[in-house]
Amino acid sequence: NAGVTQTPKFQVLKTGQSMTLQCAQDMNHEYMSWYRQDPGMGLRLIHYSVGAGITDQGEVPNGYNVSRSTTEDFPLRLLSAAPSQTSVYFCASSSPGSFTGELFFGEGSRLTVL
Amino acid sequence: SQQGEEDPQALSIQEGENATMNCSYKTSINNLQWYRQNSGRGLVHLILIRSNEREKHSGRLRVTLDTSKKSSSLLITASQAADTASYFCATDGAGGTSYGKLTFGQGTILTVHP
Repeated sequence: NAGVTQTPKFQVLKTGQSMTLQCAQDMNHEYMSWYRQDPGMGLRLIHYSVGAGITDQGEVPNGYNVSRSTTEDFPLRLLSAAPSQTSVYFCASSSPGSFTGELFFGEGSRLTVL
Repeated sequence: SQQGEEDPQALSIQEGENATMNCSYKTSINNLQWYRQNSGRGLVHLILIRSNEREKHSGRLRVTLDTSKKSSSLLITASQAADTASYFCATDGAGGTSYGKLTFGQGTILTVHP
């Protein structure tokens, strides 16, 4: 199984540009989420989804947009990139039926905004 | 807002020694999980402890939970160089389902010297 796949792994943007970080999972998980990881800050939740067509905001949603048209895919859009969005972004998925409640993470997308 | 505070921020030990990491959180929880992150990689689930459990073991891992103090500890016994990684605690909210949303601590960087 591929698990959770994120693309691209690395990206450099200029301030004001837009882009989409892709996330796909092949485990038929209902729940998907996006986190950003900054030094000394741990992971912070940006947006999450409990199923196709249903999304909601997390702790730090400003400047980001998401949609969930299929169970498998959960793209994260940066509308107008800012240097403050320089970070490592992680997509995660989980199943509501999981006994452990564990999240399965992708390998991350490292974004630099100049 | 960060739910978890982890202590110490960094820990350096020799191979064969035990490593103890602590996590404190602010609000009531259903479960507390520990994750590991190797440098440049995604997070991997290690263990989950439920709010009605006090201690749990998995291989060389021992996790304790004190809900009265809102704290948890992760003990890795007989550390190996391969245990070098960052370790994060993560909590969900009390009551109902977490929908895959977790609140992460800031992490402890563990370095195990051969």
